[in-house]
Order: sequence, then structure tokens, then C-alpha cells
Amino acid sequence: QVQLVQSGAEVKKPGASVKVSCKASGYTFSGHYMHWVRQAPGQGLEWMGLIIPNSGGTNYAQKFQGRVIMSRDTSISTVYMELSRLRSDDTAVYYCARELGTPEGYWGLGTLVTVSS
Amino acid sequence: QSALTQPPSASGSPGQSVTISCAGTNSDVGGYNYVSWYQQHPGKAPKLMIYEVSKRPSGVPDRFSGSKSGNTASLTVSGLQAEDEADYYCTSYAGNNNYVFGTGTKVTVL
Repeated sequence: QVQLVQSGAEVKKPGASVKVSCKASGYTFSGHYMHWVRQAPGQGLEWMGLIIPNSGGTNYAQKFQGRVIMSRDTSISTVYMELSRLRSDDTAVYYCARELGTPEGYWGLGTLVTVSS
Repeated sequence: QSALTQPPSASGSPGQSVTISCAGTNSDVGGYNYVSWYQQHPGKAPKLMIYEVSKRPSGVPDRFSGSKSGNTASLTVSGLQAEDEADYYCTSYAGNNNYVFGTGTKVTVL
């Protein structure tokens, strides 16, 4: 069965970086786009960008360009999302999601990133 | 990329219907038939309820239906049940591998 297992919660100081991982299993890793979506406490869903595991190609939401890097390691079927220059309003649950908006979609359980001095 | 506009809240009694709108532009909702709707219960990951404007994934009750007119998409939940109380988000493809979510609507079953 398809599983997306995300790394554990993180606490970071303002200005630092965080790297969240999402390990896929149960399907052909290179065959499906992977998205990153975040949700601040009590707020809505926000699309951050996507990575094409086959090629490593990426597309980021304009808001995060210059501050986010999405990457993948095909040898271990894992995608990564690194967000730099963290601010307090980056405190959120970060989800990886396979194939957004399609019946082939799956979501990870989310990774809570807390930014606090 | 501005968020799609949804009403903050909607409500109905059990058995009634509720319709949620999702207003975008001709660069997202109006430009593509790739609008989907997610249901999210507190503390849970979102669940796909509608994709490609009006299609239901396997296992989603036919009480859930979607439509689109111009730059606005809609989700209708008929025969409201207690378990339908949740947050609902629309999302749309916006071209060039870009996506955008709606602002979210909290549905309350009275």
C-alpha cells in the first residue's frame, strides 16, 4: 500500500533552516509528482511547490521562491523540502502530498515545524 | 498567485444541502477543468472529495457534487450528515505546474 512517511517535528530559531523529508513506499517513486503543502495553526492550506521525482525538476509558489528548495533521492525514494531564513509565521504543519487533486493522491501525516526564539 | 476565495463558514441542518463557492480567475479556476475539493477534519490530513470539477473518487458518497461556472467553482453537500462537519478547501491548477488553494470554509451541521 502507498505510504508517505514524514520526518519528525522540528523546533528552529528565527533565521535558521529546516529540512523535512518524506519517504515514499508502495509505488513507483519516479512515476508521480510530489507536492508540499503547509498549514499554519488555525489557518488554511497553502501550496508551496512541487518536485518531479523522475527528473528532479521543481516549481515553487512565487511566495517561497528564493527561500525553498525541494529535492529528491531516488535511491531511497525520498523527497525533501528545505525552507531557509525561517520566521515565526513559518510555524506550520508541512505535508507532502502525491499527485494533488487526483484520485491517485496520497498525503503524509504532516511534520510540525515550530519557529521560536 | 492569490488564494481562491471561499466563504469562511456555511451551515445546515441534518438532511439539508449546503453549497460552498470557490472564486478564482481565468488564470486558474476559469482556465482549467482541474478544480478539486478537499475535506479536512481537525488534526487530520485532507481527503479528496471531488476532482476535475465534478468527478468523485471511489468511496466518496454521491451526496457530494461539484460544478463550475466561469471563474467560480462550487461544492454541494446534499443530505447533510453529522460527519460532514469539517473544513473544506478547493484547489485549482493555475498553469505551468502551479496550484492554488482556496481560503477554506468551515461547514457546521446544526
